[in-house]
Amino acid sequence: EAGVTQSPTHLIKTRGQQATLRCSPISGHTSVYWYQQALGLGLQFLLWYDEGEERNRGNFPPRFSGRQFPNYSSELNVNALELEDSALYLCASSFQGDYGYTFGSGTRLTVV
Amino acid sequence: RKEVEQDPGPFNVPEGATVAFNCTYSNSASQSFFWYRQDCRKEPKLLMSVYSSGNEDGRFTAQLNRASQYISLLIRDSKLSDSATYLCVVHTPYALNFGKGTSLLVTP
Repeated sequence: EAGVTQSPTHLIKTRGQQATLRCSPISGHTSVYWYQQALGLGLQFLLWYDEGEERNRGNFPPRFSGRQFPNYSSELNVNALELEDSALYLCASSFQGDYGYTFGSGTRLTVV
Repeated sequence: RKEVEQDPGPFNVPEGATVAFNCTYSNSASQSFFWYRQDCRKEPKLLMSVYSSGNEDGRFTAQLNRASQYISLLIRDSKLSDSATYLCVVHTPYALNFGKGTSLLVTP
């Protein structure tokens, strides 16, 4: 069974540009979480999607947005990129409930 | 107050030692609890869930104290390969909250 897949693996953008990150959950999983992990910092919760709806978002500005598609894959968009947006962006999926979450290997975004 | 707090360490222990990590959480509505392991520049991976009755998986034992809002992880007979960052994770109704992690280095 394929795990959570994220693309691209690495992304380099210029300040002010937009970035789009993609995540495909494990087959059958309906929930997708997005996290940001800046160098030396812990995982910061960004967004939670379930059944196509945004269920919750973390303490990030509106230029961080996303969506979940009917096939439960998800996209994270970051507009007007700033240097401090450089981080590892992790996606996790689950089938709801009290189960552990499986993470993808992440997209490393570098803003120059 | 942060949702999930952990001692960042680092914990430097010799091979074979027993080491314990603690974690506290602030949201009494928290539903599920986990320990994850994260190796340098890699994604977090589920180590084990934590149940109120306590649970064991080989050399790893996890405990939950809901009254004190406290979670622990005990690693017995530490191996070099246990060196990693251990993340305490708490699931509330609307978010999955991570501690910043406790760094463990097991030395020969």
